[in-house]
Amino acid sequence: DVVMTQSPLSLPVTLGQPASISCRSSQGLVFTDGNTYLNWFQQRPGQSPRRLIYKVSSRDSGVPDRFSGSGSGLDFTLKISRVEAEDVGVYYCMQGTHWPRTFGQGTKLEIK
Amino acid sequence: EVQLVESGGGFVKPGGSLRLSCVTSGFDFTYAWMNWVRQTPGKGLEWVARIKGKAGGGTSDYTAPAKGRFTISRDDSRNTLYLQMNSLKTEDTAIYYCTTDDIPTWGRGTLVTVSS
Repeated sequence: DVVMTQSPLSLPVTLGQPASISCRSSQGLVFTDGNTYLNWFQQRPGQSPRRLIYKVSSRDSGVPDRFSGSGSGLDFTLKISRVEAEDVGVYYCMQGTHWPRTFGQGTKLEIK
Repeated sequence: EVQLVESGGGFVKPGGSLRLSCVTSGFDFTYAWMNWVRQTPGKGLEWVARIKGKAGGGTSDYTAPAKGRFTISRDDSRNTLYLQMNSLKTEDTAIYYCTTDDIPTWGRGTLVTVSS
């Protein structure tokens, strides 16, 4: 199975400051159709996960533009330009290129 | 409004069975690839099974822990996804979510507890 490794696992951030989460894949994630199926999910406390970013850098509907995704090859990044209180939660990367799909361990973002 | 509503979880002894359901609305279920994903405090988020939509022939895939014990199925006339879980083990204890690639949100999940 493809192993997705996130860092850091804990991320204390001051309100209004930027945040960055890294995700490294153990295998390349380019599918036969040319797309890279790397997604980012947010799970707020007490809620179900929801997808924020799909195919590396496409934001889902309703996701604030302070969230951005980037990367290629084995390394991918989720950035929050200015952290707000509602961003507290756990963030997961997930690869959808290879079966079985696999998630990273999660990065817990908290306000410093 | 897009909705995914899971049900059927509960408390069961090892070796027992449960059937989970996920009633959906607000998107084209017939062609959607549907998934079951579970979450535990210890192992985090883990894919369980997926079933392709009509265009994909409705074929299914399972992860190693689910293979041979779980069966994913769908009723397109009812916009409903199922997961039949047999020979349950304590390590199957988790919140089970129904998801689809077509929408970013997940349901609230249904809790399965396997314990003697």
